[in-house]
Order: sequence, then structure tokens, then C-alpha cells
Amino acid sequence: EVQLVESGGGLVQPGGSLRLSCAASGFTFSSYWMHWVRQAPGKGLVWVSRINSDGSSTSYADSVKGRFTISRDNAKNTLYLQMNSLRAEDTAVYYCARDTGGFAVLWGRGTLVTVSS
Amino acid sequence: NFMLTQPHSVSESPGKTVTISCTGSSGSIASNYVQWYQQRPGSAPTTVIYEDNQRPSGVPDRFSGSIDSSSNSASLTISGLKTEDEADYYCQSYDSSNQGNWVFGGGTKLTVL
Repeated sequence: EVQLVESGGGLVQPGGSLRLSCAASGFTFSSYWMHWVRQAPGKGLVWVSRINSDGSSTSYADSVKGRFTISRDNAKNTLYLQMNSLRAEDTAVYYCARDTGGFAVLWGRGTLVTVSS
Repeated sequence: NFMLTQPHSVSESPGKTVTISCTGSSGSIASNYVQWYQQRPGSAPTTVIYEDNQRPSGVPDRFSGSIDSSSNSASLTISGLKTEDEADYYCQSYDSSNQGNWVFGGGTKLTVL
């Protein structure tokens, strides 16, 4: 089955760190660019970061630049998001999404990150 | 930075037709493809329109997308509304001036009553 499954979310204190994972299956992961998109409680979708197929190029939203790092392990079919210096405003459901020519057809179910003391 | 603006909410009756707009802040919205995603409460988004007006397999032809260059906007039209269409809808495109990063509209809550 073609799917993306996120994990690694949870409760973390402000200033803390967390690493999210997104396990891909059912397709050739190494052929696709991948993205992280987040959604704060009751709010809209916000693009966070993307990485190209071989991991050599990355890009970030201004709100997370310098704090978050996207990476991938094509041998393990897994996408990552290392989140450091977390703030309350980073509280959200984080979705990974497969890029199919500039848009997403495949989304994960999301993982909730809560930043609170 | 490039932004997309959507109405906060729209409502219409079952069987009617509704149109949701998505207006680009600068440049020409026609320069890059626009996508539309549907999100029901507690669920991940799903694609209902890609590349301005294409429907993924499984999406009914009641859903259609269009671009109006004169108003620099994209539109999602849903005809023959059903109660199951009640959801949040998001448009998405890219910021050509910023590495082609994705940009989402703020979302529109569609109420079918």
C-alpha cells in the first residue's frame, strides 16, 4: 500500500528538541521530493520545509529557518524533521507530503507536536 | 513574499453550486499551477484539483477548477452540493521568488446546510 506514516510527535518544553520521522512505503521514495506541512490547532495549513529527491537541496519557511532541519535516508525510505529551540507557536500537527510535480497527492496522517511547559 | 487569500467561509444549500476564490498577492497567478485540497475535521488533506483544473482519479466531476487572470485569482467550483462536501478547502501554489516554495491560502470553511 502506498502510504506515509509520521511519528515522533509529543509534548516538549519550550526550548526543547524533537525529531519527527515519516516512513514511506509502496513507492520509490528516492524518486520524490518531500515536504513537511503543519497545522496549528484550529488554523490552516502552513508549508514548513522541503527536500529534493537525493537530499542535496533543502528549503525552509522563514518561521523555522535556523531551528529546523529536514533530511532523508533513502535507504530507509524515511524523511526526518529535526526541530530545535521549539516555541509555543510551533505547536501543530505536522504532516509529511509527497511532491508530485509541485503539489501533494499523498499525505501522511500527521503527528501532533505540543510545545508547553 | 507571495500570498494567497481565500474567503474565511462560504455556505450554500444541498444541490446548489458554490465557488471558492483564491487571489494571488502579486505577479500572475496563472504563472504557476494552483491546487485545491479538501480537509475534513480530524483528517489529513486530500487533493481535489491539481494543475489548475485537473481532477485526481476518484474525485467526482462536480469539482472543477479555473483561473481568471483578470482578477489574478483561481476558483474552485462545486456543483450539486452534498452534505459530505462540508469541509475546509485550501488553495496552494508556489512562490517563484522564493525557490518555488509552496504557499497555501488561509482556507475556506464550506458549510452545506
